[in-house]
Amino acid sequence: DAKTTQPPSMDCAEGRAANLPCNHSTISGNEYVYWYRQIHSQGPQYIIHGLKNNETNEMASLIITEDRKSSTLILPHATLRDTAVYYCIVSWGFGNEKLTFGTGTRLTIIP
Amino acid sequence: DSGVTQTPKHLITATGQRVTLRCSPRSGDLSVYWYQQSLDQGLQFLIQYYNGEERAKGNILERFSAQQFPDLHSELNLSSLELGDSALYFCASSPPGAGDWEQYFGPGTRLTVT
Repeated sequence: DAKTTQPPSMDCAEGRAANLPCNHSTISGNEYVYWYRQIHSQGPQYIIHGLKNNETNEMASLIITEDRKSSTLILPHATLRDTAVYYCIVSWGFGNEKLTFGTGTRLTIIP
Repeated sequence: DSGVTQTPKHLITATGQRVTLRCSPRSGDLSVYWYQQSLDQGLQFLIQYYNGEERAKGNILERFSAQQFPDLHSELNLSSLELGDSALYFCASSPPGAGDWEQYFGPGTRLTVT
């Protein structure tokens, strides 16, 4: 029973902002939203996480809606190196046995 | 470079054999996680160790076992190998106090069973 729903694929032009949506309508109050990405055959890379406030780091911004039922990962100026599969994961963050990544969104940056 | 190292990078072996994959976590990280990624299964969590003790178990087969040593490196042992065990095996570590989901992954070991 998937906790998150993401579009299977998206394209974005190089230099533009890439906005990746994630629906998590059954999220509970103490669950975090995490984002990872995986560039072809490399190990997944942690990007960012948040609970209810918007978050920003050197890689991306995470916007979480007020009702916390959805979020958007924003890559502000996409480059070709951002082509990857992006995973949105909901978890309360500690000792969760069901650590599954789902199928994610395949983001392709178009030159 | 995440700071997590895995050896070997590639491994080719025959069915029925046993192999050991090794992982060194980032300096200071106490938790180590193992994942399997095959073409048809996606990324599957296998097992987690924290400071030498097993903490969480996922879809790990009985033919597979793992341990974390006092120096915090970890080994994943795969025995009685089958063709279906061919996959990428990733190790990840997380810093103390960060929660289980801030994980830093190694480059993986590609296992091919022939």
